[in-house]
Amino acid sequence: NAGVTQTPKFQVLKTGQSMTLQCAQDMNHNSMYWYRQDPGMGLRLIYYSASEGTTDKGEVPNGYNVSRLNKREFSLRLESAAPSQTSVYFCASRERTGLKRTDTQYFGPGTRLTVL
Amino acid sequence: AQSVTQLDSHVSVSEGTPVLLRCNYSSSYSPSLFWYVQHPNKGLQLLLKYTSAATLVKGINGFEAEFKKSETSFHLTKPSAHMSDAAEYFCVVSEGGYSSASKIIFGSGTRLSIRP
Repeated sequence: NAGVTQTPKFQVLKTGQSMTLQCAQDMNHNSMYWYRQDPGMGLRLIYYSASEGTTDKGEVPNGYNVSRLNKREFSLRLESAAPSQTSVYFCASRERTGLKRTDTQYFGPGTRLTVL
Repeated sequence: AQSVTQLDSHVSVSEGTPVLLRCNYSSSYSPSLFWYVQHPNKGLQLLLKYTSAATLVKGINGFEAEFKKSETSFHLTKPSAHMSDAAEYFCVVSEGGYSSASKIIFGSGTRLSIRP
């Protein structure tokens, strides 16, 4: 049981290049998320997928696209990278338990992206 | 609207002394509250969570937090700090249910330093 995995761990891009960040979870969770983490700003939600086949914008979606390929995988794409997208990106999946539907999220190890 | 405020961006304590990391929240509904820890260059790990059962919640590594509705607080404490506790700590509020993922809000984080 690997939990949430992300690839790559590190990436350097030039302005205007594109790339896809991959995320997979093996916990059979319905919901998956992409966050970015910047110093002093906590984590900000980029996009999320409440269930397979659905995706929705979060707080900071501009410049990104996502694909929920199947229940396990949720990818994040930067079509034309900009220096403002230099950040650490975290993928998470969400467990919902019991009648209260507690919202425990499980995080991947992160991808450190630098855009020059 | 829900929000979460971590009152200290940086806390420094001596090894063996108590730790207090402060978190205040606002929520229109009965929230779920979480503390996550992030060690340098690592992903986020769940420390503990409150889901309307006992107001005093015990987590991993000797940490605990008390939910105080009258004060809208969920402060994290540990009786005796250890060098390995040095990390960034995030307070998170979620309104649970089938609400959208945008109702999971992260605090901006508190960096905990431990002096030998």
